[in-house]
Amino acid sequence: AQRVTQPEKLLSVFKGAPVELKCNYSYSGSPELFWYVQYSRQRLQLLLRHISRESIKGFTADLNKGETSFHLKKPFAQEEDSAMYYCALSGWTQGGSEKLVFGKGTKLTVNP
Amino acid sequence: DSGVTQTPKHLITATGQRVTLRCSPRSGDLSVYWYQQSLDQGLQFLIQYYNGEERAKGNILERFSAQQFPDLHSELNLSSLELGDSALYFCASSVDLAGYYEQYFGPGTRLTVT
Repeated sequence: AQRVTQPEKLLSVFKGAPVELKCNYSYSGSPELFWYVQYSRQRLQLLLRHISRESIKGFTADLNKGETSFHLKKPFAQEEDSAMYYCALSGWTQGGSEKLVFGKGTKLTVNP
Repeated sequence: DSGVTQTPKHLITATGQRVTLRCSPRSGDLSVYWYQQSLDQGLQFLIQYYNGEERAKGNILERFSAQQFPDLHSELNLSSLELGDSALYFCASSVDLAGYYEQYFGPGTRLTVT
C-alpha cells in the first residue's frame, strides 16, 4: 500500500538554524515525490518535486530509494518559513489509476 | 492566487443535511482533484476527474459524490452529513492527468456540521 509518513507533527527551530523535515514513504514502484507548503491563511502550493531537482526558497530534498525517504532540508531557517509542510507521493495503482497520497503534515515554527 | 476558485468559503449546516461544494479549475486545466483536510486525518485525497470522467478514487465515502461538467467546473456533493464531516475541503487542478504535474489548490471551503 502507498503510504507517506511524516513522523513530526510539530517542529520548532531558531532563525538561522538548519532544519530538516522528515518524510518516509512506502511504495512498491517508482514514485513521484513532492513537498507542498501551506502558509498561514493561504492555500497549499507546490514547494518542490524530486524529478525537477530544484532548490526553492533555499529548500532541497533528495530522494533516497534505499531508505525510502524524501526529507526536506534548509541550511538556515528564516521566520517566513514558518508554515505547514506536506510530503506527497504520486503513484499508480494496480488498476491503472493514479493516486496521490499526502502525509499528515509537519508544522514548522521558526522562532526569532 | 492560483486561479482555482471555490464556493462557498464557509458552510454551516446540520447533521443529516446535504450540501454541494463548487470548484472552478484554472483556465486550461483538465484535471480536478478533491481533498478533505481535518485535524486528525490530515489531507486526504478524495477523488479525481479528468475532462469530465472519474479517474481516481481515494478515501471517499459512499455518502459523497462528485462530478465534472462540460465546462470543467466540478461539484462535490456531501449527503447525510455527520459531525465528523466537518473539515476543510480543497479542490485542486492540474493541466494533465498524471500526478507529477503541479496541482494548483483553491482556497478551500470550510464545512461545519452542527
